[in-house]
Amino acid sequence: GAGVSQSPRYKVAKRGQDVALRCDPISGHVSLFWYQQALGQGPEFLTYFQNEAQLDKSGLPSDRFFAERPEGSVSTLKIQRTQQEDSAVYLCASSLVGQALSSNQPQHFGDGTRLSIL
Amino acid sequence: RKEVEQDPGPFNVPEGATVAFNCTYSNSASQSFFWYRQDCRKEPKLLMSVYSSGNEDGRFTAQLNRASQYISLLIRDSKLSDSATYLCAVPRGSQGNLIFGKGTKLSVKP
Repeated sequence: GAGVSQSPRYKVAKRGQDVALRCDPISGHVSLFWYQQALGQGPEFLTYFQNEAQLDKSGLPSDRFFAERPEGSVSTLKIQRTQQEDSAVYLCASSLVGQALSSNQPQHFGDGTRLSIL
Repeated sequence: RKEVEQDPGPFNVPEGATVAFNCTYSNSASQSFFWYRQDCRKEPKLLMSVYSSGNEDGRFTAQLNRASQYISLLIRDSKLSDSATYLCAVPRGSQGNLIFGKGTKLSVKP
């Protein structure tokens, strides 16, 4: 597809379950970002990949959050032992170039996964 | 000062009005800035990129004031379809992960 694709669109899980969220970036985009957006807030950075390398995971809120991009394209964000505070929209974004240039490149967002933890 | 701050609004304006939002940022070294538009329950969509003093695209104008560390977004001749939340974003560091403001909500009324 032409844009960033995320799945599932909606995910409901019981507290304590593990969830996996998928992001398929724009083809050829080097940089991939995950963000978390709570209701009424702007997106907040979670982690950054340049190709398959995870260069920054400083925004991950706890060690229950894990992300990977093993072949430098599709990425998965996994949340283990989900808690109610994990309920949010998880957005993936990609941009064309890698770091050192990526700060000047606009990021293109997928439509997000809305996660609800019961 | 927070890294990126916006007036949350809401701004309620009639069709045809001109409206402006400000966004202040704390990092004086920032070189690029972005305005995104986000509709309810949708993803942010890039509206404008700002790299120098400003940018203009049709009814939309973004201006950068480095001395006072803010960027503004001006919308002329507002349309009903402009109703949305407008997010200001500033890249952090070389990798460019975006720091977003909380967004400014605009509601254009008939």
